[in-house]
Amino acid sequence: KNEVEQSPQNLTAQEGEFITINCSYSVGISALHWLQQHPGGGIVSLFMLSSGKKKHGRLIATINIQEKHSSLHITASHPRDSAVYICAATGPVTGNQFYFGTGTSLTVIP
Amino acid sequence: DAGVIQSPRHEVTEMGQEVTLRCKPISGHNSLFWYRQTMMRGLELLIYFNNNVPIDDSGMPEDRFSAKMPNASFSTLKIQPSEPRDSAVYFCASSRDRGLSPLHFGNGTRLTVT
Repeated sequence: KNEVEQSPQNLTAQEGEFITINCSYSVGISALHWLQQHPGGGIVSLFMLSSGKKKHGRLIATINIQEKHSSLHITASHPRDSAVYICAATGPVTGNQFYFGTGTSLTVIP
Repeated sequence: DAGVIQSPRHEVTEMGQEVTLRCKPISGHNSLFWYRQTMMRGLELLIYFNNNVPIDDSGMPEDRFSAKMPNASFSTLKIQPSEPRDSAVYFCASSRDRGLSPLHFGNGTRLTVT
């Protein structure tokens, strides 16, 4: 069993739709990262959070430590949001263990 | 800030050859990570340096893999001898403080071993 599970694996949405990607983890963590990987292959860090909620533009990330669950929301989705979104949990204390989800492939159709 | 710089972007080599991948982290970042990404296994952490010292190399698959960080601005990942199953995209990332601060990724090196 993977320490980090993401859902859904694939997601297709119409432009303008509200999108939610989920991440559940089974290990104790010190931080959770949301990464975005575009078709060209580059990886960008969207959020790093250890509690509560963060917002950047149309993107919102939340985490519930008790439930070991995080969500990434995209409001008013746009075709340029099409990418693979990866959840990564940083292990406790040392901060140098990483557990990666398998990614969610998002396609936003105009 | 130029970001994390990796070279080469693409590398094609024959089985048995030595391959060296290079990474320049963001100035001021204390932590450097080497990751490998394949279709089968997704992203995997290979090795992590903090203040130029290797802290955790448990992700390095075999003795054929080695990594060095001779100074704060340069790191290498070497595969010797290379095998076809090493074909993957190798990413370098840096951060101010381990996995407890945002990660900054390089563009990756796509390695093909024939």
